Amino acid sequence: DAGVTQSPTHLIKTRGQQVTLRCSPKSGHDTVSWYQQALGQGPQFIFQYYEEEERQRGNFPDRFSGHQFPNYSSELNVNALLLGDSALYLCASSLRSVSNQPQHFGDGTRLSIL
Amino acid sequence: AQSVTQLDSQVPVFEEAPVELRCNYSSSVSVYLFWYVQYPNQGLQLLLKYLSGSTLVKGINGFEAEFNKSQTSFHLRKPSVHISDTAEYFCAVRVTGTASKLTFGTGTRLQVTL
Repeated sequence: DAGVTQSPTHLIKTRGQQVTLRCSPKSGHDTVSWYQQALGQGPQFIFQYYEEEERQRGNFPDRFSGHQFPNYSSELNVNALLLGDSALYLCASSLRSVSNQPQHFGDGTRLSIL
Repeated sequence: AQSVTQLDSQVPVFEEAPVELRCNYSSSVSVYLFWYVQYPNQGLQLLLKYLSGSTLVKGINGFEAEFNKSQTSFHLRKPSVHISDTAEYFCAVRVTGTASKLTFGTGTRLQVTL
């Protein structure tokens, strides 16, 4: 039973570029959440997708956008990259109908902005 | 809104000694409580969760935590640590009855030495 998988593992971009990160949820899960974890910090919630719609959003600018596909996989897009966007980006999945179920996390994508 | 405070950024401890990692939270509504562990270059792994019922919860790897509603705390304990417990530990909360976001603390680095 595959867990949450994220790609790529590492990515290096320069300021002003755009990036797309991908996430496949754990089998049987239908909800995907994205988090940004800066160095030495706890994860910060970016947004959550369910039924291909953004359901909840954290305090992130519109440069951060996402998408969920019919197979429940998800993408995180970041435009006009800034140095401060350097971080570990974590994807988590869960089953929306079971509200007390913990979220399962992938190993993340390490994004470095030069 | 919810918030989580982990007062200790680093906790050094000798192998086989007991350890307690502190977590306090603030919320105007009921929350679920979680502890996650993060090993270097990895995502988050669930250690244990408090949903309801008994305030003492047991998790993986010999860890346990006690929910104290009056003190709004959820401290993590282990009676005897091992070198392999060296990692970053995060306390998190989520509003009950929802599949909403996790709110994390800033983390505690547990450093176990011989």
